[in-house]
Amino acid sequence: NAGVTQTPKFRVLKTGQSMTLLCAQDMNHEYMYWYRQDPGMGLRLIHYSVGEGTTAKGEVPDGYNVSRLKKQNFLLGLESAAPSQTSVYFCASKNPGQGLGTDTQYFGPGTRLTVL
Amino acid sequence: RKEVEQDPGPFNVPEGATVAFNCTYSNSASQSFFWYRQDCRKEPKLLMSVYSSGNEDGRFTAQLNRASQYISLLIRDSKLSDSATYLCVVAGTYKYIFGTGTRLKVLA
Repeated sequence: NAGVTQTPKFRVLKTGQSMTLLCAQDMNHEYMYWYRQDPGMGLRLIHYSVGEGTTAKGEVPDGYNVSRLKKQNFLLGLESAAPSQTSVYFCASKNPGQGLGTDTQYFGPGTRLTVL
Repeated sequence: RKEVEQDPGPFNVPEGATVAFNCTYSNSASQSFFWYRQDCRKEPKLLMSVYSSGNEDGRFTAQLNRASQYISLLIRDSKLSDSATYLCVVAGTYKYIFGTGTRLKVLA
């Protein structure tokens, strides 16, 4: 199993450009998440999905859109990139909790995005 | 007040030392609790879940105090390879809330 994979690993954008980050998981997980991590801020939830075809806003959703057309994929879109979106983006997935310690989130390796 | 608060450190300790981290959370309805480890520029990885009765995994012991709303992690006999950032995580039904992490540096 590859677990959670993210594409691309690195990207540099100019202000105003658009891009899509792809997250894929092969663990048949129901829930998927997009986070951003900035120095001193910890991981902050952007959007999440509790099943195919559903999405919900997290803590910092502005400037991002998401789609979950297939259970194994969760896409994060930036329509018009801004320098404030320079960050490391992590995707994660998990299944609904079924008991103590069974609802662990598994993370992808991250995408390092720089917006100039 | 942040939902999950941790001392950012760094904690610089010699090899073989015992070190403890604490974390406090504000939502009394939180359901699950975890410690994750994050190495520099890498993804977070689960270290251990935290149970009310306390739990141990080798050199690591985690405790949860629901009444006082804090979680602790104890590392005994520290190794150089324990150097990392330790993230306290508090979870509800769908969402995880991460602390900003505590940096540990184990010195030779």
